[in-house]
Amino acid sequence: QSALTQPASVSGSPGQSITISCTGTSSGVGNYNLVSWYQQHPGKAPKLIIYEVTKRPSGVSNRFSGSKSGNTASLTISGLQAEDEADYYCTSYVPPNTLIFGGGTRLAVL
Amino acid sequence: QLQLQESGPGLVKPSETLSLTCIVSGGSISSMNYWWGCIRQPPGKGLEWIGSVYNSGTAYYNPSLKSRVTISVDTSKNQFSLKLNSVTATDTAVYYCARQIGGGSWSLDHWGQGTLVTVSS
Repeated sequence: QSALTQPASVSGSPGQSITISCTGTSSGVGNYNLVSWYQQHPGKAPKLIIYEVTKRPSGVSNRFSGSKSGNTASLTISGLQAEDEADYYCTSYVPPNTLIFGGGTRLAVL
Repeated sequence: QLQLQESGPGLVKPSETLSLTCIVSGGSISSMNYWWGCIRQPPGKGLEWIGSVYNSGTAYYNPSLKSRVTISVDTSKNQFSLKLNSVTATDTAVYYCARQIGGGSWSLDHWGQGTLVTVSS
């Protein structure tokens, strides 16, 4: 299966909101609410920030939110902070029994 | 607090087998609510799911790697293991272990720190 499609980079200023898109297929993103988002700082392991499209793990800031429309999922970060500068990856379940990652998006906080 | 620790050789020769062990502490690998996954990241590139295993031994693999991969579980040692056969330079990557939420969530909520494996003669 091909990777999910994400923009290579996005940027925003402190306090602003940004949205990162993640486009898949009707058999994956479009048919299952099993999209997750991960934040990865340089040299660190990824961290789960959104799962099952809209759910936030305990301890994750409510500035992070997820949504989905058709074959495209989105991650929105509101009130951008310098610490949000990182790489962001989406994943989706694709049958049968496969997990695929997006190519990743680098967020720059200007 | 759950912790995962990857253990394995940092250097593997081309055509040989990459072996990685993931040691789980602070929780039981036999828990009915979780699967256990392996993910890799080539230097400067994105993440790739390799596969996941349940405590029963049932495993699912990335179709692009399926012919070369085996992930197994040892409940007595609270660990799981990855074997990747016939490696080439393109298998050079940071390899991560992670806990996958069960019940069909397919999300990875706890990760190890990762270990770099280089394939080179």
